[in-house]
Amino acid sequence: GQNIDQPTEMTATEGAIVQINCTYQTSGFNGLFWYQQHAGEAPTFLSYNVLDGLEEKGRFSSFLSRSKGYSYLLLKELQMKDSASYLCAVRDEYYTDKLIFGTGTRLQVFP
Amino acid sequence: DTGVSQDPRHKITKRGQNVTFRCDPISEHNRLYWYRQTLGQGPEFLTYFQNEAQLEKSRLLSDRFSAERPKGSFSTLEIQRTEQGDSAMYLCASSPTGNTEAFFGQGTRLTVV
Repeated sequence: GQNIDQPTEMTATEGAIVQINCTYQTSGFNGLFWYQQHAGEAPTFLSYNVLDGLEEKGRFSSFLSRSKGYSYLLLKELQMKDSASYLCAVRDEYYTDKLIFGTGTRLQVFP
Repeated sequence: DTGVSQDPRHKITKRGQNVTFRCDPISEHNRLYWYRQTLGQGPEFLTYFQNEAQLEKSRLLSDRFSAERPKGSFSTLEIQRTEQGDSAMYLCASSPTGNTEAFFGQGTRLTVV
């Protein structure tokens, strides 16, 4: 079956670094996405990994290990506005274009 | 271009009624997706279109659900004989190709009472 696991909730302090992990078990793999979703709003794209390694984009970085079925999203210099849900999603190559989402990790940043 | 637009933003309906939602994708995006999201969960795939062709439907999409994309532009999602379990956020997304990120709309929040 298709399974994507990520922690339900995390907390961190403003200015700190936080790592949100995601593990997946899918019948195929054709890329992993991270989205940010503020309460009541649309998910917005953060990063995309299809090859192993680290992708850096400003304060956000995402890492992928295909052999381990593992990814993480790293957020640096946390700001209050980073309080949101972070969704890990996998594109299964057998189901063209469909994204399989995890339940999301709700991050709360405290001053 | 202001992104993916969905209408209405909120819909309250009585059980048994039919509802229809509309999605206007980003111009020239030939791929359009519908997802459903319930509180505390990630989005669940419902269906997607490439231009006007509906290429895949989830098993979640019962025979009460139908989606169309006439002329390959906007799309509609209709739910017939709504049930309380249909209460959710219905998200639409679009992308220019199959190998790029999808851009999501603000969603239509459906409440069935």
